[in-house]
Amino acid sequence: KAGVTQTPRYLIKTRGQQVTLSCSPISGHRSVSWYQQTPGQGLQFLFEYFSETQRNKGNFPGRFSGRQFSNSRSEMNVSTLELGDSALYLCASSLGGRGQYEQYFGPGTRLTVT
Amino acid sequence: GENVEQHPSTLSVQEGDSAVIKCTYSDSASNYFPWYKQELGKRPQLIIDIRSNVGEKKDQRIAVTLNKTAKHFSLHITETQPEDSAVYFCAASNRDDKIIFGKGTRLHILP
Repeated sequence: KAGVTQTPRYLIKTRGQQVTLSCSPISGHRSVSWYQQTPGQGLQFLFEYFSETQRNKGNFPGRFSGRQFSNSRSEMNVSTLELGDSALYLCASSLGGRGQYEQYFGPGTRLTVT
Repeated sequence: GENVEQHPSTLSVQEGDSAVIKCTYSDSASNYFPWYKQELGKRPQLIIDIRSNVGEKKDQRIAVTLNKTAKHFSLHITETQPEDSAVYFCAASNRDDKIIFGKGTRLHILP
């Protein structure tokens, strides 16, 4: 089976712009979670989508949003970018059923905001 | 609130010695505890996980132990090798089935 893929791998944006990142889960996985990874802060949970619905949400401002399509692919959007949004954004997929927690990560999108 | 604390943040061990990384969690409803290894420039990889109905799990040189009463769980790596050098993350599920991660431990294996 193909692993989790993310596009693009690298992005450079300017403050105030917006950005959309994409994640394609492992075939058959219905849950996609997004994480922000910065040095010293580990992996911070953004949100989780399951069957096209946001099932869980972390403590990030409303500038961060996401969606999931019927084929389980997910996108996250960050509007009005700030310098502090520079980070590695990782998505992880899992089967998503109750107790089916095992998550597999994509390679990430490295976002740099200047 | 939900929280996973991980210690130490950095750990150096001599090749061949054992390494232990410890985590604590706050949500008594947590029932799934994975460990991830992230090598430089790569994605986190699931290396072992344990559920709350089990106290210990072993896979070759890696073992995880869980103490539900104390809300502690630990990763043990024996006979460490240079390829064990990486950042290790513990995590715990919470009552909403979110996976909450610790801040990571950078493990250095010294020659």
